[in-house]
Amino acid sequence: AQKVTQAQTEISVVEKEDVTLDCVYETRDTTYYLFWYKQPPSGELVFLIRRNSFDEQNEISGRYSWNFQKSTSSFNFTITASQVVDSAVYFCALSEIDRGSTLGRLYFGRGTQLTVWP
Amino acid sequence: AAGVIQSPRHLIKEKRETATLKCYPIPRHDTVYWYQQGPGQDPQFLISFYEKMQSDKGSIPDRFSAQQFSDYHSELNMSSLELGDSALYFCASSARTRGTDTQYFGPGTRLTVL
Repeated sequence: AQKVTQAQTEISVVEKEDVTLDCVYETRDTTYYLFWYKQPPSGELVFLIRRNSFDEQNEISGRYSWNFQKSTSSFNFTITASQVVDSAVYFCALSEIDRGSTLGRLYFGRGTQLTVWP
Repeated sequence: AAGVIQSPRHLIKEKRETATLKCYPIPRHDTVYWYQQGPGQDPQFLISFYEKMQSDKGSIPDRFSAQQFSDYHSELNMSSLELGDSALYFCASSARTRGTDTQYFGPGTRLTVL
């Protein structure tokens, strides 16, 4: 069965600090997707990144970077030079890749509440 | 760019009443998913539809039903509402046949059951 663990429930940092959000996953599938979503106080879920299990290249997008390591089943997210607007709950999620069926539900971790203080 | 539209955004109901939530996916998206997020919880998958057919079913109570219509919009019908049904209900859409398996979420419907 799929499982996503975000061990950090809450993190507080001061503006301009770097912060890393951890995500560890379990799956018996050999092909799968990993995602990060951001949920600001307004409540919507904002897509940040998708990674498939065949692509272990790290990715950088502005102040955001992601480190995918299949060997440790981890998909960590780093925010460089954090800003107050980064304050939100961040969810890591996993879904299967199955072209033969139409599955694809997301399994979410419990989320990490990030608070960035000015 | 067009996003997923959900209506209503807020809904207040009494116990034992019924509620209908609507979802309009991103144009040309063929798959719709429904999730329920309780206070302080992560979103939990309820049900999904691909090309108007139910494709997967999660922890959806028997009191709930859903369908996807010919124009691809979807409705989640909830009957005999209970206090525990108070939650944020998200709809998401994706374009599986075009190889875009990313689920884009709507703003959610906040349901309060009194």
